[in-house]
Amino acid sequence: DAKTTQPNSMESNEEEPVHLPCNHSTISGTDYIHWYRQLPSQGPEYVIHGLTSNVNNRMASLAIAEDRKSSTLILHRATLRDAAVYYCILRGNTPLVFGKGTRLSVIA
Amino acid sequence: EAGVTQFPSHSVIEKGQTVTLRCDPISGHDNLYWYRRVMGKEIKFLLHFVKESKQDESGMPNNRFLAERTGGTYSTLKVQPAELEDSGVYFCASSQDQGYYEQYFGPGTRLTVT
Repeated sequence: DAKTTQPNSMESNEEEPVHLPCNHSTISGTDYIHWYRQLPSQGPEYVIHGLTSNVNNRMASLAIAEDRKSSTLILHRATLRDAAVYYCILRGNTPLVFGKGTRLSVIA
Repeated sequence: EAGVTQFPSHSVIEKGQTVTLRCDPISGHDNLYWYRRVMGKEIKFLLHFVKESKQDESGMPNNRFLAERTGGTYSTLKVQPAELEDSGVYFCASSQDQGYYEQYFGPGTRLTVT
């Protein structure tokens, strides 16, 4: 499985946008970029995924670089409930491979 | 619609004992996955069922672990005999289809082996 690189931790103020980066320079043409998050004491939760084009859903937006070697998860207005570990995962027709993710802290 | 449920939420057993974890996927989801996180490590894949068949069990650590999904509905993961290193959180997930579809996770079962 291709590897992803994410910062260990990030901090955001409440109600401000958050941009969570992910580098995946060895991505293959068939790999989708998935984002999951894990809130404290809960199972991982699907956030969003994309292949080439930017994607939006009710939770977040995913911006994918033109060369697909990096992507950014965008939370438009961070809330305290968004404090979690965010995982960027490359996925072909395979199970999810979790790395260490980025621990997002949200400050009131 | 009910989400993925897991039972028990927490289990404490002694080394050498047997424990059975249960997962009920979202109704209609043919794909069921087991993952686990042991202390200080990342979440790791264990195995994948499609209906009642094991599609991929490459992540199962050893033959002390036995997963079943009779009838293609709920699944059980039995650890027999349990060892100290089996302690961790076991997650179950289900998805409507394979491949790129999102997976829905349960809250996990925290297993402590003493």
